Amino acid sequence: DAGVTQSPTHLIKTRGQHVTLRCSPISGHKSVSWYQQVLGQGPQFIFQYYEKEERGRGNFPDRFSARQFPNYSSELNVNALLLGDSALYLCASSVNPGQRIYGYTFGSGTRLTVV
Amino acid sequence: AQRVTQPEKLLSVFKGAPVELKCNYSYSGSPELFWYVQYSRQRLQLLLRHISRESIKGFTADLNKGETSFHLKKPFAQEEDSAMYYCALKGYGQNFVFGPGTRLSVLP
Repeated sequence: DAGVTQSPTHLIKTRGQHVTLRCSPISGHKSVSWYQQVLGQGPQFIFQYYEKEERGRGNFPDRFSARQFPNYSSELNVNALLLGDSALYLCASSVNPGQRIYGYTFGSGTRLTVV
Repeated sequence: AQRVTQPEKLLSVFKGAPVELKCNYSYSGSPELFWYVQYSRQRLQLLLRHISRESIKGFTADLNKGETSFHLKKPFAQEEDSAMYYCALKGYGQNFVFGPGTRLSVLP
């Protein structure tokens, strides 16, 4: 099993541009969550999707959006990039949103730098 | 409100010494607490969860609802334990609320 895979691994964008980050969950996992980790801080929740529907949204502006596809992979989109969007973006998958016992499995992340 | 605090940004101990990484939380309801670890150049991974009361790599953590704490402990630190440790709370809507993390450095 390849685990949770994210692409690209690194990305440099200019302020005002748009970016799309991709995530493939572990086979059999139907829930995908996105987190933003700014340098020196813990990950912050952005979105959770389950069965292609948004199940949760963190305190992020509308410039952030996401979707989940029929194969359970997911995209995170960020419009009108700001310098403050520079961070490591983590994707986590689980069998379902509840997952009381096992928590989530995280990908290695996409390092986004906005210049 | 749901919040996780880890008061120490950096904790340095000598090999073989006991280690305790502090975690406090605020949450209205019955909390689910986890510890995640991130070794150098590796992905964030689950270390242990309070619900299973297990010991992983010699680490244990006890949920103290009275003190709203979930401190991570190990009696004898090893150099390979050096990593970033994040305490996390499973919040409303099933998402995780992470603390800011503590960097553990185990000195030889």
